[in-house]
Amino acid sequence: GQNIDQPTEMTATEGAIVQINCTYQTSGFNGLFWYQQHAGEAPTFLSYNVLDGLEEKGRFSSFLSRSKGYSYLLLKELQMKDSASYLCAVRDPYNTDKLIFGTGTRLQVFP
Amino acid sequence: DGGITQSPKYLFRKEGQNVTLSCEQNLNHDAMYWYRQDPGQGLRLIYYSQIVNDFQKGDIAEGYSVSREKKESFPLTVTSAQKNPTAFYLCASRPTQGQYEQYFGPGTRLTVT
Repeated sequence: GQNIDQPTEMTATEGAIVQINCTYQTSGFNGLFWYQQHAGEAPTFLSYNVLDGLEEKGRFSSFLSRSKGYSYLLLKELQMKDSASYLCAVRDPYNTDKLIFGTGTRLQVFP
Repeated sequence: DGGITQSPKYLFRKEGQNVTLSCEQNLNHDAMYWYRQDPGQGLRLIYYSQIVNDFQKGDIAEGYSVSREKKESFPLTVTSAQKNPTAFYLCASRPTQGQYEQYFGPGTRLTVT
């Protein structure tokens, strides 16, 4: 089967850096997504990784290692508004039109 | 403004009633999806459609039905056969060419008592 693991909850302080990890065990790999979801709202797209390495977008960066089945989302200069759930998802190796989501990591940022 | 709309935001129904959730998009996307989100669980795929008049079951299709008569619209019916219908329902769309990310609507929170 396909499996994605993320920590359930994390806390951090405003202005700090936090790394949210995601490991996946799938029979193939066609790309990994990170989404941000504020409570009761729609997930919004943050990043897409298909090749190994780091992709940087402003305060957010995402890293992928296909050989290790591992990704992380790095959030710098944390702000209170970054308090949200962060969802890791991979494209279904058997049907790339589908995404397989992890359970999400709830991040709380404290002043 | 282009986007995905879901209505209503909150919906209450009595057990045993069917209910239809609306999803409309004006992004000209070909593919549309319905997910269910429960506390402590990831998004689970109910149904998806890659083209008008065609749709496929996702991982948890039992107790749900959909139609795709227009490119812009993908309504989801939660039937009385769905054992635990109370959840947050999210609709998403994606263009079939080029980009891979899915764009999500604001969601409908359904409560069945």
